[in-house]
Amino acid sequence: QVQLQESGPGLVKPSETLSLTCTVSGASISSYYWTWIRQAAGKGLEWIGRMYSGGTTNYNPSLRGRVAMSVDTSKNQFSLILGSVTAADTAVYYCARTVAVDGHPNWFDPWGQGTLVTVSS
Amino acid sequence: DIVMTQSPDSLTVSLGERATINCKSSQSVLYSSNNKNYLAWYQQKVGQPPKLLIYWASTRESGVPDRFSGSGSGTDFTLTISSLQAEDVAVYYCQQYYSTPPTFGGGTKVEIK
Repeated sequence: QVQLQESGPGLVKPSETLSLTCTVSGASISSYYWTWIRQAAGKGLEWIGRMYSGGTTNYNPSLRGRVAMSVDTSKNQFSLILGSVTAADTAVYYCARTVAVDGHPNWFDPWGQGTLVTVSS
Repeated sequence: DIVMTQSPDSLTVSLGERATINCKSSQSVLYSSNNKNYLAWYQQKVGQPPKLLIYWASTRESGVPDRFSGSGSGTDFTLTISSLQAEDVAVYYCQQYYSTPPTFGGGTKVEIK
């Protein structure tokens, strides 16, 4: 059974950098696409980006170059970095596995429990 | 980006009655080469992450009760709960994975009357 767990600071100051890690168990991080999604309070879901362990990454253009993802295969973890944060980046951040078929990334399953990140001074 | 529009925003249904949620995409998510609709549905209960219910617009994920069904093609899709149970109270989201970035509908909140 694949399980994901997010970790990282729950409070980040404006203009600083948000850094989160997702630890994967039950599956090799080398074999799938991995994704970050966020949800502001009372709002819908926003895809942040995905990566494949080989180094391929895709990011949401709406984040205008502030985002980066990386993988640590030795720890079976992948990470999210979001720079120059503002209050608008306050959200629950989820990591998820992206299920790919014939190399095309598709739906998200499973998801981590999510971690709340608040941007405030 | 493909815009996903769900309706209604909220829905109140009696136990045992049918609940119908609509999802419309701003462009077709039907891939002609394999005749598959690149659309998924998720259920999110309070305080929990979204849970995959349906993919390819109509394929139920393993373990999902058969009262949940998905239908539609092209740009118009429906999630139906045939007989609403108390444990189905949640927000439901559609998501397209036809193109990057993948996008979600705004969600439909289902409550018990």
